[in-house]
Amino acid sequence: DAMVIQNPRYQVTQFGKPVTLSCSQTLNHNVMYWYQQKSSQAPKLLFHYYDKDFNNEADTPDNFQSRRPNTSFCFLDIRSPGLGDAAMYLCATSRAWTGYTEAFFGQGTRLTVV
Amino acid sequence: DQQVKQNSPSLSVQEGRISILNCDYTNSMFDYFLWYKKYPAEGPTFLISISSIKDKNEDGRFTVFLNKSAKHLSLHIVPSQPGDSAVYFCAASPTGNQFYFGTGTSLTVIP
Repeated sequence: DAMVIQNPRYQVTQFGKPVTLSCSQTLNHNVMYWYQQKSSQAPKLLFHYYDKDFNNEADTPDNFQSRRPNTSFCFLDIRSPGLGDAAMYLCATSRAWTGYTEAFFGQGTRLTVV
Repeated sequence: DQQVKQNSPSLSVQEGRISILNCDYTNSMFDYFLWYKKYPAEGPTFLISISSIKDKNEDGRFTVFLNKSAKHLSLHIVPSQPGDSAVYFCAASPTGNQFYFGTGTSLTVIP
């Protein structure tokens, strides 16, 4: 059974048109992450939530925003997608802030910008 | 600035032999390390981890070695099987929850 679910799997958006990617989890994990992965590159952490506390990576562009309305759902909003934002977007969750634990990933959303 | 580096983009190994995947990191604050496996069109799945208080962790055919002084870790798969063919990502964390990934190594196990 899928535990971290990302919708849609594939998203095509127009240049400059706002787009939202969604992620839900059935694990009841405190922490949720968004990663961006471009071809042949490392997954890059954009931001994460610990419960409702939002933590932005220093180099994440302002064009990227996130919302977490409750424990189960987290959204990635791209306000004005550019061609350079085409990538795989991965959502992940983990159990707690303290201690060592792994992250569980969804299948990703492949974003194409036309 | 890439803090976690996997310098070998690809590796081919015969079935039954050992696969060794390498990873280097630069941030001395990293104290937890993980390996993930990724098949095409799927998200990464957790494989094995090690904390900085250990230098070896074993789980079946998979063993991770950590050399803190060299800021180097490696994943050994023995014996390698065709189903192990995938992209392997090394990840590191300074806190146990904030994960930074390498670029991945594509492993092909030849039957």
